[in-house]
Parts: sequence; C-alpha cells; structure tokens
Amino acid sequence: AQKVTQAQTEISVVEKEDVTLDCVYETRDTTYYLFWYKQPPSGELVFLIRRNSFDEQNEISGRYSWNFQKSTSSFNFTITASQVVDSAVYFCALNQAGTALIFGKGTTLSVSS
Amino acid sequence: GAGVSQTPSNKVTEKGKYVELRCDPISGHTALYWYRQSLGQGPEFLIYFQGTGAADDSGLPNDRFFAVRPEGSVSTLKIQRTERGDSAVYLCASSPIGQGHNEQFFGPGTRLTVL
Repeated sequence: AQKVTQAQTEISVVEKEDVTLDCVYETRDTTYYLFWYKQPPSGELVFLIRRNSFDEQNEISGRYSWNFQKSTSSFNFTITASQVVDSAVYFCALNQAGTALIFGKGTTLSVSS
Repeated sequence: GAGVSQTPSNKVTEKGKYVELRCDPISGHTALYWYRQSLGQGPEFLIYFQGTGAADDSGLPNDRFFAVRPEGSVSTLKIQRTERGDSAVYLCASSPIGQGHNEQFFGPGTRLTVL
C-alpha cells in the first residue's frame, strides 16, 4: 500500500527564518512520482513541484528547494528566508503515472512578521 | 488560460436531499479526478476519469455517490440521500495525461454542508 506521512502538524516561524517541511513515503512501486502542493487560506491547491523516482537530483526554485532521498524514502521541502505569504498548509503527495494522488495530512506553516 | 472551475462554490442542503457538483477541467486535459477534503485532512481520492469512462472509482465511499463525464470534458459528482458525514470540500483536478506530464491541477472546490 502507498502512504505519505507528514509528521509535522504545525510549524511556526518568524519571517526570514528557514524552515524545512518533512515528508516520508511508502510504496512498493519502482516507478512513482512525488509532489508538493500549497493550500493557502483561500483553499485552492497550488502545484509546486513533481519529481519522478528515477531523478534524485535536488531542485531549487527561488526560495524553495527540495531534497529527494530514496534511501530514506523522504522528499523534504525547504523554504529559505520565509515570508508571511508563505503561510499555508503544505501537502506532500505520491502516485504512479495517471493514478490518484495519495496525500499526507499536511503541515500548517505560520510565518509571522 | 482558464484553470479548473467548480460550481457551486458553496452548497448547503438538508439531510436526505440530492446534490450535484460540477467540474469544468482545463481544456484539453483528458484525465479528471474527484477528491474530498475534510477539515484538517489531506484530500482523499473518490474517482478518476480518463476521457468519458471511469478508470478508477475505488474511492467512492458507497453507492450514494456517482459521477459522470459524458462528453469527456465537464464532470458531475452526484450524491443521493445526503448525510451529515458527507459535509466536506469536494475538489476536482485535471491532468494532461499522455503528454509526458501527470501534474494534477485543482479547482477551488465546492464546500458542501449537510444540515
């Protein structure tokens, strides 16, 4: 069975702090995809990144970076120099191509000024 | 271009009533997914369409839930004899499967409240 665990329920930081959101996944498939989505207070899920199981290269996009490690089944997300606008619920998710996403329970990030 | 749209944005109904929730996917996206999100939880899969047919409906909780996508574009999620436990945000997503991508793009959701 596939499963995604986000152990951190809530994280609070002050602006400009760096913050890492953890994601651990379980799957028996050798080909799979990992995702991060952001859900701001408005409620709409916003796609952030997709990685496939064969690409363990870390990725950086502006203040966002992702660390994928198959050895520990983890796909962690770091926000550098956090801003108030980063406040949201962040979901990690897993699927095989074309199938439904399996989501974690989400981590609520609160960034205060 | 236009994203995924869902109507209505909010629906309040009474226990036992029938409701229909509509999803307009991104034009050209062949795959369409329905999820349900309860408060404080991640979205949970309900049903997935590839074109007009339901490729996977294993997430539907019971036979009160049904969904259609007759022309391979707009989809309607139908809930019969609603129960208070059906209250949640119903999310629709579409994806351009077959073009080398499988990101799912979500609509704003329909918040269903069953009184």
